[in-house]
Amino acid sequence: KNEVEQSPQNLTAQEGEFITINCSYSVGISALHWLQQHPGGGIVSLFMLSSGKKKHGRLIATINIQEKHSSLHITASHPRDSAVYICAVRDSGGGADGLTFGKGTHLIIQP
Amino acid sequence: NAGVTQTPKFQVLKTGQSMTLQCAQDMNHNSMYWYRQDPGMGLRLIYYSASEGTTDKGEVPNGYNVSRLNKREFSLRLESAAPSQTSVYFCASSTRREGGYTFGSGTRLTVV
Repeated sequence: KNEVEQSPQNLTAQEGEFITINCSYSVGISALHWLQQHPGGGIVSLFMLSSGKKKHGRLIATINIQEKHSSLHITASHPRDSAVYICAVRDSGGGADGLTFGKGTHLIIQP
Repeated sequence: NAGVTQTPKFQVLKTGQSMTLQCAQDMNHNSMYWYRQDPGMGLRLIYYSASEGTTDKGEVPNGYNVSRLNKREFSLRLESAAPSQTSVYFCASSTRREGGYTFGSGTRLTVV
């Protein structure tokens, strides 16, 4: 079973700062997902990665397959970016389908 | 709107009561999943269905049953609710094993 670790667990920053959230996993994967969850809200998929880098607006996600590591970056952060960011992976081997999730990074952007 | 619809959004049960959580998707996805989310833990897979007519256990299946009624619908049943099943439940669907995910809005269940 894959082990997914996220850091930091909690992050408070000022509006406009560059934010980095890290995710590492223990065994090979077929895909890595970055998800966003607002307080009391549903879960929204931000990115699905199997290699390289993806960008959507102010969000950038990268993955290094050899090092089993991914990062989510937020440029020019805004209070509306305050949410829990969750990393999840899909194992490349056989076994149960579904994702293995990290515990999430709770991000607060102060105006 | 296209997506995954879960009902109900909130529910309070007494210990020993039964209930069914409903989930439907209109994106023609083959795979559907039920997860639970507890404080301080990542989401955990309860059951999944890779295609219509098939279901399989995930990481935490005890105390639950599922039915893949058709391609659109995947329900989760608690036969005899226990306080340990107090959680937020999410249904999700995806196109295939390596596909992107779409989540429902969640069901907040409290068992007293």
